[in-house]
Amino acid sequence: KQEVTQIPAALSVPEGENLVLNCSFTDSAIYNLQWFRQDPGKGLTSLLLIQSSQREQTSGRLNASLDKSSGRSTLYIAASQPGDSATYLCAASTGANNLFFGTGTRLTVIP
Amino acid sequence: DGGITQSPKYLFRKEGQNVTLSCEQNLNHDAMYWYRQDPGQGLRLIYYSQIVNDFQKGDIAEGYSVSREKKESFPLTVTSAQKNPTAFYLCATSGWNKGGSNQPQHFGDGTRLSIL
Repeated sequence: KQEVTQIPAALSVPEGENLVLNCSFTDSAIYNLQWFRQDPGKGLTSLLLIQSSQREQTSGRLNASLDKSSGRSTLYIAASQPGDSATYLCAASTGANNLFFGTGTRLTVIP
Repeated sequence: DGGITQSPKYLFRKEGQNVTLSCEQNLNHDAMYWYRQDPGQGLRLIYYSQIVNDFQKGDIAEGYSVSREKKESFPLTVTSAQKNPTAFYLCATSGWNKGGSNQPQHFGDGTRLSIL
């Protein structure tokens, strides 16, 4: 069964710093990997989706990479802002778009 | 997410009661999903449906039931057989690209269920 791990569980950075969130998965036979953002008490917002044939995806200040062979993905956030404070979740997809989620990294950007 | 409506936002259940959580979408997505989120754990898949009148069990289906009579609706019933129902429940939808690859899953704002 696919297991997804996110490290660190929590991260605090001063505003303006660049940062990297890590995600690892045990089964490299994935269809895609998604990164989500969750604000407290809210649902998830999709940030980036990387298909298994791709190496990375970019959206604004966000860049996600995928290395299937090593079972790793990273989410890079450039020039962090207080509004980026949230929990970031990664999820690996198997057939039928079933997602296996990590437990998330809670990010706090300090003004 | 705009286009996915979960209701109610908060729900309370007495012991022995069944309760139904609503999920409605206007995104014209074929696939719909129900997840459960507990503190300190990732989201876990309860049920999913890829097409009307068809659904599949996820990892933690015991004590839950679903129906998919319409493309727009995928209600989840938490039965009295679910012994620990207190959690945050999230509904999601997704479509398919022409090449057959997955589109991102879109989530509703969730329903928080508590035991009285």
